[in-house]
Amino acid sequence: EIVLTQSPGRMSLSPGERATLSCRASQSVSSSYLAWYQQEHGRSPRLLLYGAVSRAPGIPDRFRGSWSGTDFTLTITRVEPEDSAVYHCQYYGSSPLYSFGQGTKLEIK
Amino acid sequence: EVRLVESGGGLVEPGGSLRLSCSASGFTVNNQWLHWVRRAPGKGLEWVSRINDNGDFTSYADSVKGRFTISRDNAKSTLYLQMNSLRVEDTAVYFCARGSALFDNWGQGTVVTVSS
Repeated sequence: EIVLTQSPGRMSLSPGERATLSCRASQSVSSSYLAWYQQEHGRSPRLLLYGAVSRAPGIPDRFRGSWSGTDFTLTITRVEPEDSAVYHCQYYGSSPLYSFGQGTKLEIK
Repeated sequence: EVRLVESGGGLVEPGGSLRLSCSASGFTVNNQWLHWVRRAPGKGLEWVSRINDNGDFTSYADSVKGRFTISRDNAKSTLYLQMNSLRVEDTAVYFCARGSALFDNWGQGTVVTVSS
């Protein structure tokens, strides 16, 4: 069973700072099936990245994805106030079919 | 514009039932897999169930298997989730979502509260 562990649980940054969010898989996974979502408070999730590094339509280029082995990273190069949200990573596999991390809450001061 | 609009949530006692609906528009509904995903208070997202484009293949999370049933009516562009034997731990916002390996569009969610 694949478990995704996100860190940190929450972070607080000032506008213009760099945000680095981590999602670690419990075993080897294919980057092709790793996605990131942004969920603002009281809103539905929005697809940010798919295939670990590809931005969904309309997503600004300050959102960037990378990976090394079982470690996946979402980087926001210069955070803006509207980036305040919970960020979720998700994997499509076989057991379970769809797994999510527990989320990272990003607060912009 | 792709739109997914959920309805049917509410307050129900443990052991009770609810039927959620999700009305889809703005895309060819019968070409797409559809899902239910939930988020309990203070928790992360949890995938619940999926159904293929023509409705003859379904899958469920272990936590709801045997209690929940997903279905769809493509003529009405509507997805359903019949939830029976509800438990306190089923309390969550339930979202419908479109996609296969990932979820590229989501509804706004409907709140289900299971409490006595």
